[in-house]
Order: sequence, then C-alpha cells, then structure tokens
Amino acid sequence: QKEVEQNSGPLSVPEGAIASLNCTYSDRVSQSFFWYRQYSGKSPELIMSIYSNGDKEDGRFTAQLNKASQYVSLLIRDSQPSDSATYLCAVNKNDYKLSFGAGTTVTVRA
Amino acid sequence: SQTIHQWPATLVQPVGSPLSLECTVEGTSNPNLYWYRQAAGRGLQLLFYSVGIGQISSEVPQNLSASRPQDRQFILSSKKLLLSDSGFYLCAWTLNTGELFFGEGSRLTVL
Repeated sequence: QKEVEQNSGPLSVPEGAIASLNCTYSDRVSQSFFWYRQYSGKSPELIMSIYSNGDKEDGRFTAQLNKASQYVSLLIRDSQPSDSATYLCAVNKNDYKLSFGAGTTVTVRA
Repeated sequence: SQTIHQWPATLVQPVGSPLSLECTVEGTSNPNLYWYRQAAGRGLQLLFYSVGIGQISSEVPQNLSASRPQDRQFILSSKKLLLSDSGFYLCAWTLNTGELFFGEGSRLTVL
C-alpha cells in the first residue's frame, strides 16, 4: 500500500466550476498535510497546509482534513485556466520526511 | 526572505559520466535540506535529507551520493551515471514546520 494515494486524473472541469481533489494516506500517525501545485516543467509550489481536522480556506482554495478517515481533500472554487496543473498531496509524520502522492492533473476548460 | 537556488537547470550527460548538482539556501540558518527526484509522469521520490553539516541520510540505495559541506549548501553527486538516473531533481528546504520549499529543479537526461 502506498503511503499517499491520489487519483491521477486527468480531472477536467469547466471554467468557473469547482474542482475537487482527493488524497488518502496510510499511516495514522501522520500529523501535517500539504497541497502543492506543479505546472508542467516547473518545481512544486506550496499552496495549502492543514494540521487539524476540518476545513481551512485560503482565497479560492479550501483544504479539508479528516484524520479518522485518513483523508485530505482540496477544493478549487471558481476554477480558472491558470489552475491547470498537477496537484500533489504530501503528508508528514513529524519526522524529517515528507511523503508525496503521484499527483492529480487538473485541466480547466475555457 | 528565504530563497533557494539550484544549478544547473538542464544537463545532458552520457552514461558513465560523473554528476554534480548544487543547491544553496539564502536567508535562513540550519535548514533541513532534501534532494528529491521526479521521473517522467511519476511522483516525488526522496533521495537524501540532511539535518546539519556533514549529516546525510539516504532513503534509497543507488549510485548517487549527497554532501553538505556548509550549512546552506547541499550537493548531489554521482561517479558514473546510469540511464535510470534521468529525471527532474529537486532540492528543497524546511525549518521543521513541515512545509517544504523547492528550488527551480535540474532536469537531467542521461544518454
């Protein structure tokens, strides 16, 4: 079982719609959770961090964490063509290492 | 503010040749430093991490090595490259918050 699992996509959404990305993790002791955005050919960029159960909103992004279900999600509201990228879920067990999912590719159709 | 730089950005090397990728962090002290590799269409694989000068932890057995000669400098090396070493190499740093910040990446093609 992989430590962090994501649907690879591609996830295609129309401009202005909500994109919903899901991530599950295997280790129950995981404490910190992150979403990164990676444009093609570029390095990953941190867009959201979440540490406790519930929702965390930052602009058009909302991260949701459910530790009991070992599930973290990212919602992108009012999707824009500039949101087209691969989104990486990452999990930290409070050691020095971050484990990444393989990423979900999102395409926003104009 | 903190910045991270890595170079070279792109390189094409023949099989069996050596490799040296360098990364430096500015604007912080005693960061944790990391080397990740991303193969085409795949996720990020942690190769090495370092919590201090001269302290290197290896995550996967391979023909690569890492060194940290200075607090904010991290180097990835190989004596003899393999075809399977091709990929996108990413240096990253954190200050124990868990939030990882990446450099621009180095794209290596081994022919």
